[in-house]
Amino acid sequence: EPEVTQTPSHQVTQMGQEVILRCVPISNHLYFYWYRQILGQKVEFLVSFYNNEISEKSEIFDDQFSVERPDGSNFTLKIRSTKLEDSAMYFCASKPDRNNEKLFFGSGTQLSVL
Amino acid sequence: SQQGEEDPQALSIQEGENATMNCSYKTSINNLQWYRQNSGRGLVHLILIRSNEREKHSGRLRVTLDTSKKSSSLLITASRAADTASYFCATDDYGGSQGNLIFGKGTKLSVKP
Repeated sequence: EPEVTQTPSHQVTQMGQEVILRCVPISNHLYFYWYRQILGQKVEFLVSFYNNEISEKSEIFDDQFSVERPDGSNFTLKIRSTKLEDSAMYFCASKPDRNNEKLFFGSGTQLSVL
Repeated sequence: SQQGEEDPQALSIQEGENATMNCSYKTSINNLQWYRQNSGRGLVHLILIRSNEREKHSGRLRVTLDTSKKSSSLLITASRAADTASYFCATDDYGGSQGNLIFGKGTKLSVKP
């Protein structure tokens, strides 16, 4: 069964450094998302992306965050200058079309900011 | 309570027993979904119930939705040790972009063999 893949599974970085989290959504999917989950907390929406542009973003998704679909397969989340509070599990998700409400999630990237 | 609040926060049962988890939400919705998360893994979609539906079944799962009370329940019958996971309800952003799901904190289910 096709799945969303995320790399790396773990990322450790120093505060202030830039990180790029990578995702390969399911190949025929058109809608892409990033969510995050701080340890013990709920899963929070960050951003949605369709047709090569951001559809919607949450308050969390400030100027330090950006997303990109650099080619036909990858979908990346960049955090320009990481803060301690950015430590979380970051999930990529995708879905095939607007009419399908079910999201397919990757296994996540655990980001630790030291 | 916040949108998509589950209770209980943790539930421990014996294999073969039924597990019931509840979810409450605050705003109008188009649909409500339940997801499962094994420890350290991504979320897996279990079942979706639309706002005009009251009950839905999928295998050992039964979901109910009461829009007047803004609540939903997930029942897992004849639980197995493999059902051990966290379960989240997620509501859509009514009138907003699809895919902006609002999750609760989840119920951590432990099924003992």
